[in-house]
Amino acid sequence: EIVMTQSPGTLSVSPGETATLSCRASQSVSSNLAWYQQKPGQAPRLLIYGASTRATGIPARFSGSGSATEFTLTISSLQSEDFALYYCQQYHDWRTFGQGTKVEI
Amino acid sequence: QVQLVQSGAEVKKPGSSMKVSCKTSGGSFSRYGFNWVRQAPGQGLEWMGRIIPILGRANYAQRFQGRVTITAETSSSTAYMELSGLKSEDTAIYYCAREVDIGTTSPFDYWGQGTLVTVSS
Repeated sequence: EIVMTQSPGTLSVSPGETATLSCRASQSVSSNLAWYQQKPGQAPRLLIYGASTRATGIPARFSGSGSATEFTLTISSLQSEDFALYYCQQYHDWRTFGQGTKVEI
Repeated sequence: QVQLVQSGAEVKKPGSSMKVSCKTSGGSFSRYGFNWVRQAPGQGLEWMGRIIPILGRANYAQRFQGRVTITAETSSSTAYMELSGLKSEDTAIYYCAREVDIGTTSPFDYWGQGTLVTVSS
């Protein structure tokens, strides 16, 4: 099983700042990496797939990069609605999720 | 638009089984992959398994092998997930989720609303 490790566990930022979240895979997943946002009481929402492609309707302030084992989600000019939990997921070899990063004020 | 509507919350006894349904509307059903993901209270997301209804065969995460069964009924556009031998640690919200693309490995763009299953004596 491919293990996904996210860092940091919690990220404290202010509105308007940039948040950088990391995700590492225990073996190469090529570009088969997605990012999800989850708010309390809601199902996850797909933000990024293919490591860097924004899903439909996702604002341009969300960007993804990386390949193989190292990936980054960058959220520029943080808005109040961006404070949430973020998960990475590999879909190269079945599916596994990282443990999540909480972005808080 | 595509909607996935899951069955309602359940309370189960330890050792019993649960079965959650996920009815799809507004899009094709049989050729997309449907996955089940669970989230224990205050915890992260855990993938359980997946089925492509037109193929009929499901694949499961290793830790659930032998305890989980995922099926699909094309006539009603409904996917099911059954988990047996329930323990208190199985208390979680269970989500169904549809994959983005047909015929290729892909992430999940449509999710059900989640079903809370509580395992308690």
